[in-house]
Amino acid sequence: AQKITQTQPGMFVQEKEAVTLDCTYDTSDPSYGLFWYKQPSSGEMIFLIYQGSYDQQNATEGRYSLNFQKARKSANLVISASQLGDSAMYFCAMREARTGYSTLTFGKGTMLLVSP
Amino acid sequence: GAVVSQHPSRVICKSGTSVKIECRSLDFQATTMFWYRQFPKQSLMLMATSNEGSKATYEQGVEKDKFLINHASLTLSTLTVTSAHPEDSSFYICSAMGGPFETDTQYFGPGTRLTVL
Repeated sequence: AQKITQTQPGMFVQEKEAVTLDCTYDTSDPSYGLFWYKQPSSGEMIFLIYQGSYDQQNATEGRYSLNFQKARKSANLVISASQLGDSAMYFCAMREARTGYSTLTFGKGTMLLVSP
Repeated sequence: GAVVSQHPSRVICKSGTSVKIECRSLDFQATTMFWYRQFPKQSLMLMATSNEGSKATYEQGVEKDKFLINHASLTLSTLTVTSAHPEDSSFYICSAMGGPFETDTQYFGPGTRLTVL
């Protein structure tokens, strides 16, 4: 079974609108961390946001927020006020305590295209 | 965020030659470094995990004699693709982590695009 599932291969959004990228995860470990990374066409992986399994509040970083629903095992990324520069591949990833908080498992990614 | 550099960014080599890729953490000490491989339009696949001063731990299916990893210091890890073949052509990305805790983030290098002719 996949540990990280991103069901949207591609998403389109107009500039200045908000967009939600879906991510569900599968783990039996009570302690884990969830990450979102952005990969533009240049290839670099840019860290966006982190949510710990014990965090009570949803993480926010500027225009990025993580909608963490622990019971549903979902960690959706919300980008508010999309910009053209947000066009990129977005990866959801998880790290579990049983791996010593080291190994990141990635989803297959969602390609986001922002149009003017 | 922390900065990780990778060199070279792009390399083209002939089949049978060896290629070395360097990964450096520029403004923090990386207790653990990771090497990933990414094929076009696919996700990242972890190849190996290395801790400074110890042997790398390779993922299942990754040939350790082909992909040599050296983590000589807290700021430098190298991946050497030995006797490269066209099927080794791929995008190789390293990442570095400063500590072993839940909140420690992996920061990625810009990647190296390897083309083997």
